Amino acid sequence: EDQVTQSPEALRLQEGESSSLNCSYTVSGLRGLFWYRQDPGKGPEFLFTLYSAGEEKEKERLKATLTKKESFLHITAPKPEDSATYLCAVQAPNYKYIFGTGTRLKVLA
Amino acid sequence: EADIYQTPRYLVIGTGKKITLECSQTMGHDKMYWYQQDPGMELHLIHYSYGVNSTEKGDLSSESTVSRIRTEHFPLTLESARPSHTSQYLCASSEQGRGHTEAFFGQGTRLTVV
Repeated sequence: EDQVTQSPEALRLQEGESSSLNCSYTVSGLRGLFWYRQDPGKGPEFLFTLYSAGEEKEKERLKATLTKKESFLHITAPKPEDSATYLCAVQAPNYKYIFGTGTRLKVLA
Repeated sequence: EADIYQTPRYLVIGTGKKITLECSQTMGHDKMYWYQQDPGMELHLIHYSYGVNSTEKGDLSSESTVSRIRTEHFPLTLESARPSHTSQYLCASSEQGRGHTEAFFGQGTRLTVV
């Protein structure tokens, strides 16, 4: 069964304290792994797509990496405005997207 | 910035009413999706479409129906709203071109049935 598991469920960081979020996945034929940011009451905002093991993408303080079984979202020197829920998703061969439950990140000033 | 729009953003409606949630995208994407999300919970796929005149039910059972008569438009209808339908409804679209498989989401419709 196609599945995405994210950890931790919630994370509190001090401003400037770097950390990583984990996304483990099982899918029969990965068409892509995606990271999104979601603010309360809003739709998910696309961040990154990763296609193959070893691939890395960066955007400002965020860096996403991919292995054959998991992906990490590294947050370097986070700021309070980085507080949000970060969602991981995979796309199966039937074009459906399977989402994890997300990691709720709170960055304290 | 993604060009996918949902209306209304918020809707409070009485039990038994018929409602249609609108979703439009201007990106020419062939694939469109409806997700349901309760506060703090994961996204559940309720409907998807691979193109005009193509609609499929998702993994979460839903009493809603959808139609896809035009590429850019994917409305969701509830014939008789109930309090159990109270939730956030998110529409998304994607193309499947080379190097572009990500889905883009609208801002959502927060539905409350009283």
